Amino acid sequence: DAGVIQSPRHEVTEMGQEVTLRCKPISGHNSLFWYRQTMMRGLELLIYFNNNVPIDDSGMPEDRFSAKMPNASFSTLKIQPSEPRDSAVYFCASSLPDRRFNEQFFGPGTRLTVL
Amino acid sequence: EDQVTQSPEALRLQEGESSSLNCSYTVSGLRGLFWYRQDPGKGPEFLFTLYSAGEEKEKERLKATLTKKESFLHITAPKPEDSATYLCAVQAMSNYQLIWGAGTKLIIKP
Repeated sequence: DAGVIQSPRHEVTEMGQEVTLRCKPISGHNSLFWYRQTMMRGLELLIYFNNNVPIDDSGMPEDRFSAKMPNASFSTLKIQPSEPRDSAVYFCASSLPDRRFNEQFFGPGTRLTVL
Repeated sequence: EDQVTQSPEALRLQEGESSSLNCSYTVSGLRGLFWYRQDPGKGPEFLFTLYSAGEEKEKERLKATLTKKESFLHITAPKPEDSATYLCAVQAMSNYQLIWGAGTKLIIKP
């Protein structure tokens, strides 16, 4: 299995621009998580999907952030407009149906830099 | 408030020098405690889940233990390839979300 796939791996953009991060979970995994990691705050859960349905988006910082999961093999995290404080590494993770918050498989992350 | 504290922040060891990493937690009812390993430029990789005090799990040179207040990740005769950041997370009975520690950066010198 190829594991969780994220794209792009690196993104550099200017303040105010729209940024879209993409994730393909492991086939057969029905839970998907978006995390943000910074030195100051560590790993933070942004949003969690189960069977393509957003279950909890309470970690999404503000309305500039949105996430979708149109099908079981694809999810996006969009930031519009982006701000310098959004600079971080964004991870997507997936897990098996019976191990929702137990063994999570993380992708390689997208390093976002907003200038 | 539920929280997780890991210590030390960084640990440098010589190859073969055994030691332990600590994860202290306060949570209103523990559902599970998780250890992950993170290499530079990569996502965290799952290592262990512990559910109850007294439980132990082993994998190669790593052994995780759990008490009612903390967990230890013991590393025996480490090798340079064990160098990584080790993350601890807990899940409370009242909330499915994981609460993550800041991690311990482990460096093993040859």
